Amino acid sequence: GQNIDQPTEMTATEGAIVQINCTYQTSGFNGLFWYQQHAGEAPTFLSYNVLDGLEEKGRFSSFLSRSKGYSYLLLKELQMKDSASYLCAVTDGNKLVFGAGTILRVKS
Amino acid sequence: EPEVTQTPSHQVTQMGQEVILRCVPISNHLYFYWYRQILGQKVEFLVSFYNNEISEKSEIFDDQFSVERPDGSNFTLKIRSTKLEDSAMYFCASRITSGAQETQYFGPGTRLLVL
Repeated sequence: GQNIDQPTEMTATEGAIVQINCTYQTSGFNGLFWYQQHAGEAPTFLSYNVLDGLEEKGRFSSFLSRSKGYSYLLLKELQMKDSASYLCAVTDGNKLVFGAGTILRVKS
Repeated sequence: EPEVTQTPSHQVTQMGQEVILRCVPISNHLYFYWYRQILGQKVEFLVSFYNNEISEKSEIFDDQFSVERPDGSNFTLKIRSTKLEDSAMYFCASRITSGAQETQYFGPGTRLLVL
């Protein structure tokens, strides 16, 4: 089976940096996705990691350690519009298995 | 930028009725998916579709559910006899793999309410 853990909620200040962690246990790992989801909307693709290390894409970076079953999403220069749920998902064969998501609240 | 589209955006139906949710995946993608998200819960996998057949399905995807790709562009999810607990957002997704890079894009979703 699969088990994906993320913090339920986080709060950070506009302009700051925040790191959202994700740990996973899965039998058929092929890669890890991060998605952003605003309330009532669809998940929006942020990043995909299949190799260990850091992938940087603008204000967002994602890190993966396969040996530790660990990933994080790093958001820099936080903006109010970054307030959303951030979903960690691991590939298992053809499908994605999602964590419950981390609600990020950005305050001014 | 190409995107996955879904219709309708909202559907209200009576328990026991059939519903068909429609999706147009991104044209050069080969893998298609249906996921659902009950309000306040996590996104759950329903079914994956490749080469005109189901490649994997979850325990949720029982005999009441079926998928089709009737005309090479549309990808549909049918629920034959809806139950109250089928009320959820249903997301279609399509996937492309390019070397080591994989991207799975979600459509905007159909909000299904079963009364």
